[in-house]
Amino acid sequence: DAGVTQSPTHLIKTRGQHVTLRCSPISGHKSVSWYQQVLGQGPQFIFQYYEKEERGRGNFPDRFSARQFPNYSSELNVNALLLGDSALYLCASSLAPAGGRETQYFGPGTRLLVL
Amino acid sequence: AQSVTQLGSHVSVSEGALVLLRCNYSSSVPPYLFWYVQYPNQGLQLLLKYTTGATLVKGINGFEAEFKKSETSFHLTKPSAHMSDAAEYFCAVRGYGGSQGNLIFGKGTKLSVKP
Repeated sequence: DAGVTQSPTHLIKTRGQHVTLRCSPISGHKSVSWYQQVLGQGPQFIFQYYEKEERGRGNFPDRFSARQFPNYSSELNVNALLLGDSALYLCASSLAPAGGRETQYFGPGTRLLVL
Repeated sequence: AQSVTQLGSHVSVSEGALVLLRCNYSSSVPPYLFWYVQYPNQGLQLLLKYTTGATLVKGINGFEAEFKKSETSFHLTKPSAHMSDAAEYFCAVRGYGGSQGNLIFGKGTKLSVKP
């Protein structure tokens, strides 16, 4: 069975540009969460979506937005890129909304470099 | 609020030696705790998790962790290190409130295994 997939694997952008990252969850999983992992740090929660609705948001500016599609795939959008947005962006999926005993399964990530 | 502290950003052991990676948590509610491993240029893989019940949790690849409420700890151990264990390890606690059940990670511990 395919795990969580993300595209693209690597991306280089310049400051002020916009970027869209994509995620396909494990088949049957309805919840998708996004995390940002800056070099040398642990992942930090950005968004969670379940059944196409936002279920949680971390402490990130409004330049960050996301959405979930009817097939449960998801996009993360970042506007007006800053150098500090350079990071590995991880997508995680779970059967139900993240919480309690629910396990999140992570994809390989998209590495974004902002110049 | 929940938080995780991993003691030691870098741990080095010899092949065959005991692996001990330390994690302390802070939580105002009974915690759900997780250990993930990240190999170079990859996403996160779940090693093990503690929800309720038995405080000694066994995971994949010979790892185990013990939940000690009195010490607010969830240290990860493996009796005998293998070269393939070289990776970065993240301890995480389930968040509540605004993070909507998503994971709050420590900063990670990089494990090196010497031949």
